[in-house]
Amino acid sequence: QSALTQPPSVSGSPGQSVTISCTGTSSDVGSYNRVSWYQQPPGTAPKLMIYEVSNRPSGVPDRFSGSKSGNTASLTISGLQAEDEADYYCSSYTSSSTYVFGTGTKVTVL
Amino acid sequence: QVQLVQSGAEVKKPGASVKVSCKASGYTFTSYDINWVRQATGQGLEWMGWMNPNSGNTGYAQKFQGRVTMTRNTSISTAYMELSSLRSEDTAVYYCARVKGYDILTGYHNYFDYWGQGTLVTVSS
Repeated sequence: QSALTQPPSVSGSPGQSVTISCTGTSSDVGSYNRVSWYQQPPGTAPKLMIYEVSNRPSGVPDRFSGSKSGNTASLTISGLQAEDEADYYCSSYTSSSTYVFGTGTKVTVL
Repeated sequence: QVQLVQSGAEVKKPGASVKVSCKASGYTFTSYDINWVRQATGQGLEWMGWMNPNSGNTGYAQKFQGRVTMTRNTSISTAYMELSSLRSEDTAVYYCARVKGYDILTGYHNYFDYWGQGTLVTVSS
């Protein structure tokens, strides 16, 4: 199972919006609405930010939103803040009953 | 509050085995799968496998088949991941994470909602 493809880095100024893409195949992202996103600041464990493509857990700011089209899912951070600087990973359940993660994207707030 | 607390850092020699524990609290241990994910320094997340604490059933990523064993002790709400035949490439932080999986009332929930703090395993001669 190959990792899902994400851009290595994205950046934006405070208040701007950034979007991270996550491209898989018809066997994972394209098969189910079971895509999730995780935020990982340096030296910490990942934190769930979006589940089932577009749902936010309690406590996650509504600046974070998710979507999916075909084999590509996306995470958008609107109104970028300094505290959003971190690595972000997508994940998908697969048709083989396994999980696969994305390659990771470093978000930099300029 | 839900917590997953993992055992401390380990240093192992090549060829040895390591066993990492993950103690759950704040919820019914047998109601959620425990998955294991690892991350080498400066690298991405890699899924290793899952275990259902109720049945003991497991599923492993093909890469780790034959080398990994996931078990549990329900009396102390603790899950374990043992990796054998260690090599330098296994040096990484190992995380446990909770997954609801299938719920008869609400359907499928395949995402990692709570994570342990991570356990650094260093493999070095």
